[in-house]
Amino acid sequence: DVKVTQSSRYLVKRTGEKVFLECVQDMDHENMFWYRQDPGLGLRLIYFSYDVKMKEKGDIPEGYSVSREKKERFSLILESASTNQTSMYLCASSPGEGVKLFFGSGTQLSVL
Amino acid sequence: GNSVTQMEGPVTLSEEAFLTINCTYTATGYPSLFWYVQYPGEGLQLLLKATKADDKGSNKGFEATYRKETTSFHLEKGSVQVSDSAVYFCALSEGDSNYQLIWGAGTKLIIKP
Repeated sequence: DVKVTQSSRYLVKRTGEKVFLECVQDMDHENMFWYRQDPGLGLRLIYFSYDVKMKEKGDIPEGYSVSREKKERFSLILESASTNQTSMYLCASSPGEGVKLFFGSGTQLSVL
Repeated sequence: GNSVTQMEGPVTLSEEAFLTINCTYTATGYPSLFWYVQYPGEGLQLLLKATKADDKGSNKGFEATYRKETTSFHLEKGSVQVSDSAVYFCALSEGDSNYQLIWGAGTKLIIKP
């Protein structure tokens, strides 16, 4: 089975801190995604990557950046965390376009 | 722009009841439609999909039919179990792209024994 692993299940940070969320997939997938999930809003795409060192902005990239130095790893970076970034963050991967997404179990980030 | 609207939850049913979770969409072109499920503490997983009008997706006793005339993709199951308790997300994508999936807000389903 495909495994998408997110480094932390729960994370508590302070306003202004730099935050790294890590995601690793073990199936050599080309595409990786970062979403945030908020009650009543569904999933919103922050960034995606279709190849190593390639990245594209999603619907809500402001306040975030990403890094993909290796194919299996996709990192989400909050340069200066703010309280409105408190959310559940979901990482996903897929082997190509038109193919289903495989999700990690999420990181619940609280920014105090 | 494209959008997906799901019925608000939570939906609470007794075991063996019939389930319908409504999903309607607006889209230009000919989208593919999906239902994903998120069990407690787990990541989302694809439940079923349909890629063209009148297609029926089915999996684990769940079904949904792509109705272009009513722009709907309602999820149904004839007899729910406690293990079906989860959050269900309807989503669409234009053509074959999964770069820009549009997601509904999710519907939490609670099944009581």
